[in-house]
Amino acid sequence: QQPVQSPQAVILREGEDAVINCSSSKALYSVHWYRQKHGEAPVFLMILLKGGEQKGHEKISASFNEKKQQSSLYLTASQLSYSGTYFCGITGTSYGKLTFGQGTILTVHP
Amino acid sequence: EPEVTQTPSHQVTQMGQEVILRCVPISNHLYFYWYRQILGQKVEFLVSFYNNEISEKSEIFDDQFSVERPDGSNFTLKIRSTKLEDSAMYFCASSDPGGANYGYTFGSGTRLTVV
Repeated sequence: QQPVQSPQAVILREGEDAVINCSSSKALYSVHWYRQKHGEAPVFLMILLKGGEQKGHEKISASFNEKKQQSSLYLTASQLSYSGTYFCGITGTSYGKLTFGQGTILTVHP
Repeated sequence: EPEVTQTPSHQVTQMGQEVILRCVPISNHLYFYWYRQILGQKVEFLVSFYNNEISEKSEIFDDQFSVERPDGSNFTLKIRSTKLEDSAMYFCASSDPGGANYGYTFGSGTRLTVV
């Protein structure tokens, strides 16, 4: 079952922060976050395993709330290069297929 | 940084023709996947492959689709008789043997257009 992302779109000025949420109705083993630029492949940002750990990647971090089956991606002090579509992907087991959410379009303006 | 390589980058084919999309996964990866993305939509799982066999497939992956790892390096997706609705970007991905601790690396994709 497909995870649900919110919001569908975000528009920011450079330097502003954003949060993208991903929720699932089924038990999760892991949550992945990817960024896709127009016409390009999705690029891996980070993976979170069940256990609620938070991970970071430059000014982008994420958390995973296993009880709520939710993950949030935090983008702080956004840069123009952050623009793209962000997808969360979930797996029910290790090595399992990734089921992607519908994506959140992030646009950062100067 | 290691890459997943896909060829061709673009393929135009006539409806009913067979196409083969090729991928070279990262050399020490053991898990391989095909995904597709119809323009403007989400990335959809097609099939996963491990130890020379399909480990999981989606409803999209019907009898018209097949995958093969013919020579230990290439990983191919064949569509036997293409339909207009097969037009999409097809992504190959592979993942690390550590699996759960590393994300998937996607290739740059093959844009398939069926006319």
